[in-house]
Amino acid sequence: GAVVSQHPSWVICKSGTSVKIECRSLDFQATTMFWYRQFPKQSLMLMATSNEGSKATYEQGVEKDKFLINHASLTLSTLTVTSAHPEDSSFYICSARDLGGQYYEQYFGPGTRLTVT
Amino acid sequence: DQQVKQNSPSLSVQEGRISILNCDYTNSMFDYFLWYKKYPAEGPTFLISISSIKDKNEDGRFTVFLNKSAKHLSLHIVPSQPGDSAVYFCAANNDMRFGAGTRLTVKP
Repeated sequence: GAVVSQHPSWVICKSGTSVKIECRSLDFQATTMFWYRQFPKQSLMLMATSNEGSKATYEQGVEKDKFLINHASLTLSTLTVTSAHPEDSSFYICSARDLGGQYYEQYFGPGTRLTVT
Repeated sequence: DQQVKQNSPSLSVQEGRISILNCDYTNSMFDYFLWYKKYPAEGPTFLISISSIKDKNEDGRFTVFLNKSAKHLSLHIVPSQPGDSAVYFCAANNDMRFGAGTRLTVKP
């Protein structure tokens, strides 16, 4: 089946620094990838839709200048948390849809645990 | 605006019994529905789906039922196993916004 990887799987950074998280589709191409943030009590919040070769589409309430998304190729999207603060500590998950696969099915990465100290 | 909702945040069942997870949607244009399963500290994984041309789709212990008139779908797991304990999310078409999910706990 289709595989999506994320790197790093966990990261600890100091407040004020920036952190980049990579999302890769390993065996398929994805023009669109999605970034989620998991809050306590299980909910998954869609942050933005990452489009290859164009600007990302952010959900209401998500600061685009804080969460920079770049989708440089059909297999790679990156999320950069700029000037991170402790409240940005969370579990970030990306997903992608296989262009040639079962329609509407998403493949999720394993997630990245970000801790800002 | 959340077009797919799960109103039960949690469900606890005994091993071997049936688990029924529910999902409601508002958009009558939706024609494809998916269930995902998520373990802690992992990304969700696809579980089962159903097209609106069907009212039932079965895959082993998992069956999804679709009631278009009620805009309701349900996931049945039988028999439930402790390894099924996870958070379950439903989704529809290309709506990428998940609801709160339902946390299923299967007790041995």
